[in-house]
Amino acid sequence: NAGVTQTPKFQVLKTGQSMTLQCAQDMNHEYMSWYRQDPGMGLRLIHYSVGAGITDQGEVPNGYNVSRSTTEDFPLRLLSAAPSQTSVYFCASSPRFSAGGEQFFGPGTRLTVL
Amino acid sequence: TQLLEQSPQFLSIQEGENLTVYCNSSSVFSSLQWYRQEPGEGPVLLVTVVTGGEVKKLKRLTFQFGDARKDSSLHITAAQPGDTGLYLCAGGSGGSQGNLIFGKGTKLSVKP
Repeated sequence: NAGVTQTPKFQVLKTGQSMTLQCAQDMNHEYMSWYRQDPGMGLRLIHYSVGAGITDQGEVPNGYNVSRSTTEDFPLRLLSAAPSQTSVYFCASSPRFSAGGEQFFGPGTRLTVL
Repeated sequence: TQLLEQSPQFLSIQEGENLTVYCNSSSVFSSLQWYRQEPGEGPVLLVTVVTGGEVKKLKRLTFQFGDARKDSSLHITAAQPGDTGLYLCAGGSGGSQGNLIFGKGTKLSVKP
């Protein structure tokens, strides 16, 4: 199993550009989520999904959209990038009925918005 | 709003020393997880504790969940350079499936 994969690994955008961060998992996990990690801020939840066709907002959803058309994929869209969205983005997944909600993280996408 | 406070924020020690990292909250959590993250990688789960007062050991690492399920600690015995990394605690509220509240992390550096 590849686990959780994310592409691209690095990305530089100009203010106002749009892009999609890709996330895929091959563990048949129902739950998937997106976090951003900023220095001194820890991991903050952006959006999450408890299954195909179901998404919901986390702590910091503004400026981001998500969709979940399949169990495997959970892309994160930046509609109009802003410098405040410069961060490292992590996708994670977990089995729906996993005790304690253990999450499996991807390797991250480092995004810089100029 | 549930918050998890981790301390210390930074820790630099010599190989062979012992250390303890703390994770505290005013809220009750249904579970508490500890993750370790290395530079350029995603966090990796070390342990999950779910019962108040629970103690789990993973080689030289000892994890404890407070009796009231509001706090946790991670103790490392005889630290090694390979223990260097960012240690994150995360609390599960038992509500929305899988949602976790993360602490800001403790950055540990173990020097040879």
